[in-house]
Amino acid sequence: GAVVSQHPSRVICKSGTSVKIECRSLDFQATTMFWYRQFPKQSLMLMATSNEGSKATYEQGVEKDKFLINHASLTLSTLTVTSAHPEDSSFYICSASRGAGNTIYFGEGSWLTVV
Amino acid sequence: AQSVAQPEDQVNVAEGNPLTVKCTYSVSGNPYLFWYVQYPNRGLQFLLKYITGDNLVKGSYGFEAEFNKSQTSFHLKKPSALVSDSALYFCAVRDMGGQNFVFGPGTRLSVLP
Repeated sequence: GAVVSQHPSRVICKSGTSVKIECRSLDFQATTMFWYRQFPKQSLMLMATSNEGSKATYEQGVEKDKFLINHASLTLSTLTVTSAHPEDSSFYICSASRGAGNTIYFGEGSWLTVV
Repeated sequence: AQSVAQPEDQVNVAEGNPLTVKCTYSVSGNPYLFWYVQYPNRGLQFLLKYITGDNLVKGSYGFEAEFNKSQTSFHLKKPSALVSDSALYFCAVRDMGGQNFVFGPGTRLSVLP
């Protein structure tokens, strides 16, 4: 089946620094990738939708200057958390889709801890 | 706008008994419906989906789900639960032609030995 790889699985960074999380579709070209944030014991909160070659569409309340998303190719999207604060600590999950109507497949998630 | 409800935060079932995790949805037009499972500290794994065709959909790990258009439901079922089925289950809907998925709040399934 389709595989989505997310890296790193865990990262610790200092307050004020930036950290990049990568999401790769390994065996298909993903026209659309999604980034989610999940708080403990809660559902997924969609942060943004990225389409290859165009700007990401951010959900209401998500700071686009803080959470930079780049979908430079059909197999790679990156999420950069800039000027990280402890409240940015969370589980971030990406997913990828071949196109409208298709199943989306999820990465394994990335635990971000800001100290 | 699309929405998904999972009315139960927690479902407990004894090992070997049948299990049901409920999901109802709201979407304009015909829905694409999905179930995902999440184990602790992991991403979501795809279980099954309904696009068109038979209302009873069979998926991974012995799970199945029944699409009921009149009740706008897509309940997840398994005839005989395993302890290893204990996890967080998410129902999701996507409208035909749409890009975005909307997820339900999740239901935590505990299978007791």
